[in-house]
Amino acid sequence: EAGVAQSPRYKIIEKRQSVAFWCNPISGHATLYWYQQILGQGPKLLIQFQNNGVVDDSQLPKDRFSAERLKGVDSTLKIQPAKLEDSAVYLCASSLTTGNSYNSPLHFGNGTRLTVT
Amino acid sequence: AQTVTQSQPEMSVQEAETVTLSCTYDTSESDYYLFWYKQPPSRQMILVIRQEAYKQQNATENRFSVNFQKAAKSFSLKISDSQLGDAAMYFCAYRRINTDKLIFGTGTRLQVFP
Repeated sequence: EAGVAQSPRYKIIEKRQSVAFWCNPISGHATLYWYQQILGQGPKLLIQFQNNGVVDDSQLPKDRFSAERLKGVDSTLKIQPAKLEDSAVYLCASSLTTGNSYNSPLHFGNGTRLTVT
Repeated sequence: AQTVTQSQPEMSVQEAETVTLSCTYDTSESDYYLFWYKQPPSRQMILVIRQEAYKQQNATENRFSVNFQKAAKSFSLKISDSQLGDAAMYFCAYRRINTDKLIFGTGTRLQVFP
């Protein structure tokens, strides 16, 4: 099966600019996640979607970050305006179901490396 | 709040030898899941092995096995017969039952020398 697709692979922007990342999950996967991985740290969940509804966005900085998953398939994550501390790898993941997580592991994409200068 | 600690920023091993990566966690829950993920330079997180907390038997997947000590809240990963392709960042992760949120440690960089 095709894996989780993300684009772009790399992005360099100046602070206060805006940027958007795109994710296409594995076909049929109902749950989609966006994680932020700052250099030297483990990934941190930003937002989780179940189909096109938000399940958890408690750690999403809502003053500058937004995400949507229209039609319950692919998703975009946007940052506007970007800050230096937003430099990180943004990982998208998907899973078949939710609530029975042990038997429905997360599948990750290759991520987008964002550099804010 | 749950936390995951990986105290070894870097480890190294010679090809064909065995290496153990450490992980401890803090939780007040009695049932949960634990995972080890591998992240090669491609950045994709790859599931290596998983353990259900209520199972006393340690999980194994080919050359990968865990030593799960629930009372000590310890979850170490043993890699036997190390291969060059095992070189990567390894992350320990925790997940509560009936949630999907993974809490990751800070990772251990594993180098494998020929």
